[in-house]
Amino acid sequence: EVQLVESGGGLVQPGGSLRVSCAASGFTFSSSWMSWVRQAPGKGLEWVANIKQDGSEKYYADSVRGRFTVSRDNTRNSLSLQMNSLRAEDTAVYYCARSVLPSAAALLQHWGQGSLVIVSS
Amino acid sequence: EIVLTQSPGTLSLSPGERATLSCRASQSVSSRYLAWYQQKPGQAPRLLIYGASSRATGIPDRFSGSGSGTDFTLTISRLESEDFAVYYCQQYGNSPCSFGRGTKLEIK
Repeated sequence: EVQLVESGGGLVQPGGSLRVSCAASGFTFSSSWMSWVRQAPGKGLEWVANIKQDGSEKYYADSVRGRFTVSRDNTRNSLSLQMNSLRAEDTAVYYCARSVLPSAAALLQHWGQGSLVIVSS
Repeated sequence: EIVLTQSPGTLSLSPGERATLSCRASQSVSSRYLAWYQQKPGQAPRLLIYGASSRATGIPDRFSGSGSGTDFTLTISRLESEDFAVYYCQQYGNSPCSFGRGTKLEIK
């Protein structure tokens, strides 16, 4: 069974940093493109970033480029999102998701339960 | 970026009725790379439809997708109580991928 478990969310002040992580199991992590998708309270879904199987390609939404960094550790089956210079509008549930296509096209078959990040003073 | 417009914003129907949800793209979606997701309160989204019309694993056949180019439709043939949720369309053929704002399907 595919499992994606996020951790690391919490309350952070504007301008601060936070790292959310995702532990993957039940599939060959090193063979999958992985994405982060976020959802602000009461709002819709917003794709944030994705990363290629070997970490050699990374893509970001304009809203986070230059502030967020996606990375992965295939030896630990782990995905991370380092978030710097956080703003109030980054407040959201952050989902880790697995794409089932062998390309950057993010068709997201499996999702974690999400990790809540609140940016507030 | 491709903008997806979903309509209606809210749809009120009764169990057993047919639901038709629309998703219109600001430009043509590559290779019919259009997906539909269902999200219930407090849960992660669930993939229902991909490639505009293919059902994901385990999705009942009362869910069907159609369309091409810029106009896509999700149809639920006979609503069951567990189908009341928010539905999002997503295009994943152009970078960055994008989601619609969702249609809330509520019990009438």
